Parts: sequence; structure tokens; C-alpha cells
Amino acid sequence: EAAVTQSPRNKVAVTGGKVTLSCNQTNNHNNMYWYRQDTGHGLRLIHYSYGAGSTEKGDIPDGYKASRPSQENFSLILELATPSQTSVYFCASGDARGSYAEQFFGPGTRLTVL
Amino acid sequence: GDSVTQTEGQVALSEEDFLTIHCNYSASGYPTLFWYVQYPGEGPQLLFRASRDKEKGSSRGFEATYDKGTTSFHLRKASVQESDSAVYYCALSHQGGSAKLIFGEGTKLTVSS
Repeated sequence: EAAVTQSPRNKVAVTGGKVTLSCNQTNNHNNMYWYRQDTGHGLRLIHYSYGAGSTEKGDIPDGYKASRPSQENFSLILELATPSQTSVYFCASGDARGSYAEQFFGPGTRLTVL
Repeated sequence: GDSVTQTEGQVALSEEDFLTIHCNYSASGYPTLFWYVQYPGEGPQLLFRASRDKEKGSSRGFEATYDKGTTSFHLRKASVQESDSAVYYCALSHQGGSAKLIFGEGTKLTVSS
């Protein structure tokens, strides 16, 4: 069974609307991450978390918020969605206590903002 | 800040061709270097990693050697198959703390039979 799941898998939103992307992990990892994937940019880190109640800004946090209510769940929130946020979003979990900092990715959410 | 550069945005090969995808990095100290592979409709998955100078990582016939002198971690495979068609990402991370991954731009490999 998949260890990192994301919902929804596809989402169409209107400009100015609120969007929430959800992620759940069963790896029992402390760290969780949100990335967006765009052609020519690879994957870029939006927000990450060290554990329940913690959120930290990544490299491109503007226009996004994050919430980590539990060890298993990590949400990405777009309060006022814009067309420039059309992208594929990936959630990942990882355990920095390990030697190699491997991350495990979910299947992605394709978001289209009209 | 730290960065990863992949030279090739797209590579098109025939089956049994030799593959090289170039990866160069800029970072302090000794980061761990990774190659991730992403198949259509899926998230990236770890191919292999290396964490010391001259260490070779390998998996499924792919290999790369950590070279601190040239700050490189080039991906190679002697004979590609159609099933290798995917997007390949080079990445780096520093141990501990947030363990954030910094990705290159990705290289789309297409192998035709």
C-alpha cells in the first residue's frame, strides 16, 4: 500500500478561490515537504515541516500556507488562487535522523487555476 | 545558496545506446547527492545516492560517481531500454536539520525501439 497519498489527484479552481491540497503519510517520518513541479524548473520547495504543529518556509512560499495538524497529515493552502499557481504539486516525507535524508514522494496533484 | 545544474533538458536515444546525463552541483561541505527517476503519472522515486567523494552509486544498470573535484555526479548507463524512458532528476541534500532536497531542472529521457 502507498505510504504517501495525496488528495485530490486533480483539481480545477477559479482565480481568487481557496484551494486546499492534502497529504497523508504512513512512514512515521518527522519531516514532510510540499514541492511544485514546472517544466524548466524541476521541483521547487514551497513549505516543509519538522513535525506536528511546525511549518517552515521553503524556497518559493509566497502565495501559499501550510498546516501540519498531526504526524501523518500535511496540507498546502492557497488562500487566493492565481493562474500562475497552475502546476503539479508533490508531497513528500522523510526522516532527517537517517544518514541519507531520502524522501518518499506521493503521486502528485495536478492543479489548474482558471 | 546551493544549486544543481543538469545540462540536458531532453535526451532521445535508441535501445542499447549509451546514456550520459550531466549533473554539476554547487554546495558547501559534503552534501549527499541523489538521482531520482520519475515515470509518467507518478512521483519521483530514489534511484540511488552517494555521500562521499569517489563513492559510486548504482541501481538497475545506472551508475554515477561522486566527484568533489569537479563537483559532478553524472548519470550513466551502458545500454538503455525503452522502459528507461522517464524524467531523471539530480538532487543534493545536507544531512540533518530539514534535510531539504535541492533539485536540478530534470532531464527527460526518451528511448525508442
